[in-house]
Amino acid sequence: QKEVEQNSGPLSVPEGAIASLNCTYSDRGSQSFFWYRQYSGKSPELIMSIYSNGDKEDGRFTAQLNKASQYVSLLIRDSQPSDSATYLCAVKTGGYQKVTFGTGTKLQVIP
Amino acid sequence: DGGITQSPKYLFRKEGQNVTLSCEQNLNHDAMYWYRQDPGQGLRLIYYSQIVNDFQKGDIAEGYSVSREKKESFPLTVTSAQKNPTAFYLCASSIGHHPGGDTQYFGPGTRLTVL
Repeated sequence: QKEVEQNSGPLSVPEGAIASLNCTYSDRGSQSFFWYRQYSGKSPELIMSIYSNGDKEDGRFTAQLNKASQYVSLLIRDSQPSDSATYLCAVKTGGYQKVTFGTGTKLQVIP
Repeated sequence: DGGITQSPKYLFRKEGQNVTLSCEQNLNHDAMYWYRQDPGQGLRLIYYSQIVNDFQKGDIAEGYSVSREKKESFPLTVTSAQKNPTAFYLCASSIGHHPGGDTQYFGPGTRLTVL
């Protein structure tokens, strides 16, 4: 079992819709969770981090964490074509300061 | 203007050559990291350093070497022992040993191609 799993997609949503991206992780002791956005050919950029169970909102983005079920999700409201990118889930697992990345979900927002 | 810089942006290497990728940060971060990204795969950790003059192997350290002589700099050498070095190399840094200091920020990357 991979430490951090994401559906590779592509996930296609129409412009203005809500995009829902999911991520599961295997280490129950994980405490830090991150979502990054990566445009083709570019480096990842941080969208948000979440540490506690529940929801965390930042503009059009909401991260949801459920440690009991070992999943973290990212909701993007009012999706825009500029949101089309690969979204990487990252989890701080085990070793000190070590973060494990999922393979990413490709999101396509259709105008 | 704070951030992480990587150079060069593109690098071409002949078989059997060692090459060094530069990573510099002026964020005053203690921790620095090197990742490799291949098409269709996530980021894989090569080496990381939590403090000057100290570094640890990541998941795929074979064929790579690093140094951390200054807080700001964490160069990566891709040696001839690395059998398949063509990839996108990403350097990152984080504050380090502080609450919430594990958020990593990335440089723009170096794309290495073996000819």
